[in-house]
Amino acid sequence: GAGVSQSPRYKVAKRGQDVALRCDPISGHVSLFWYQQALGQGPEFLTYFQNEAQLDKSGLPSDRFFAERPEGSVSTLKIQRTQQEDSAVYLCASSLEPKTGRNQPQHFGDGTRLSIL
Amino acid sequence: AQKITQTQPGMFVQEKEAVTLDCTYDTSDPSYGLFWYKQPSSGEMIFLIYQGSYDQQNATEGRYSLNFQKARKSANLVISASQLGDSAMYFCAMRESTTSGTYKYIFGTGTRLKVLA
Repeated sequence: GAGVSQSPRYKVAKRGQDVALRCDPISGHVSLFWYQQALGQGPEFLTYFQNEAQLDKSGLPSDRFFAERPEGSVSTLKIQRTQQEDSAVYLCASSLEPKTGRNQPQHFGDGTRLSIL
Repeated sequence: AQKITQTQPGMFVQEKEAVTLDCTYDTSDPSYGLFWYKQPSSGEMIFLIYQGSYDQQNATEGRYSLNFQKARKSANLVISASQLGDSAMYFCAMRESTTSGTYKYIFGTGTRLKVLA
């Protein structure tokens, strides 16, 4: 497909387990963002990649959260030693910016709904 | 302080009527962008409309228009001729530059719109 693809769509894990969430952005999109969306809230910024470079990780809530995009395309968000407060929808978005003008919107994937038991 | 404020947690509108969803923002970046996204119950985030801080005219996209009042720092979304399919969560978002030379998107808490038949 032509859109942003995220997998898995749903993930259930026991507290303490490690999880890995995958994002496959739109081909050619330079920028990639990860967000955490709690129930009934807006997306909260986690981290930003421009190609393979992680330029901003200020939104990662703890050192248990780690993201990578080694070849500038697919990205993985890893959460180690999961806790119940990590339960949320994790959204990935990609954008052509800054390759093109500032009016390029982010294109979002359908998200991964993570539930920690 | 909230950078993006959406004061209406929920709104009702009669089918075929127009509705305005409020959004105010706060930034010191002179070159910012404002976006509106729609999130249906299925979870995907759908880009609706964009307004750049230097744009002289209000943005329009079909039934969507953005009432941009720069001095008041407001960017209200107007949906004309509401349809049942417009029932969803609506998020206002701002793109602003960061001190590290990158940029990030900040989302509001959203407004849940229900269109009544």
